[in-house]
Amino acid sequence: DTEVTQTPKHLVMGMTNKKSLKCEQHMGHRAMYWYKQKAKKPPELMFVYSYEKLSINESVPSRFSPECPNSSLLNLHLHALQPEDSALYLCASSAPGQGYQPQHFGDGTRLSIL
Amino acid sequence: DAKTTQPTSMDCAEGRAANLPCNHSTISGNEYVYWYRQIHSQGPQYIIHGLKNNETNEMASLIITEDRKSSTLILPHATLRDTAVYYCIVRPNFGNEKLTFGTGTRLTIIP
Repeated sequence: DTEVTQTPKHLVMGMTNKKSLKCEQHMGHRAMYWYKQKAKKPPELMFVYSYEKLSINESVPSRFSPECPNSSLLNLHLHALQPEDSALYLCASSAPGQGYQPQHFGDGTRLSIL
Repeated sequence: DAKTTQPTSMDCAEGRAANLPCNHSTISGNEYVYWYRQIHSQGPQYIIHGLKNNETNEMASLIITEDRKSSTLILPHATLRDTAVYYCIVRPNFGNEKLTFGTGTRLTIIP
């Protein structure tokens, strides 16, 4: 069982809809991440939050809007998505501290854009 | 981040040791080698990491060559649950930020 919980597990939406993906962890981690994974491809980093502040945006289109309301929650707000945005969206978190801290991943939200 | 090269796919018999190679000939002095795996329909899972010495934990062993240009992940007694895509990644050992996945090796454990 994963310690990073993502909801919903599946989401189908039209190109004009607005929806949000949610991610929650209660491990005290202070870095949280969004990745996008297309079928049969490796995950690609989208955003990184460190201590609730956005630290990395990998040139992601503005139709994806991340939010970190507190240290346990990470949201990804979706608006006016395109069919090519259909993918598995993965959330991860990692602990603060010196040296490498492994990233813990959720099982993702599978998003389909009609 | 330095690039890695891994075989696209490998098979291993159940109960045998699975040895997954990774080439990272351009690795720099401050970069570590990390391994993650992704079982079907799940998120990636951290396995192990190391700099230059061999490392072992409850999941696997990591053997890094003396020149650090390649490494091997060893699953000592593979089970069917070890069927997954295995990613070898090199990056500096600081910061909790960017993790760049390569194409990985699809390991299939054969009963």
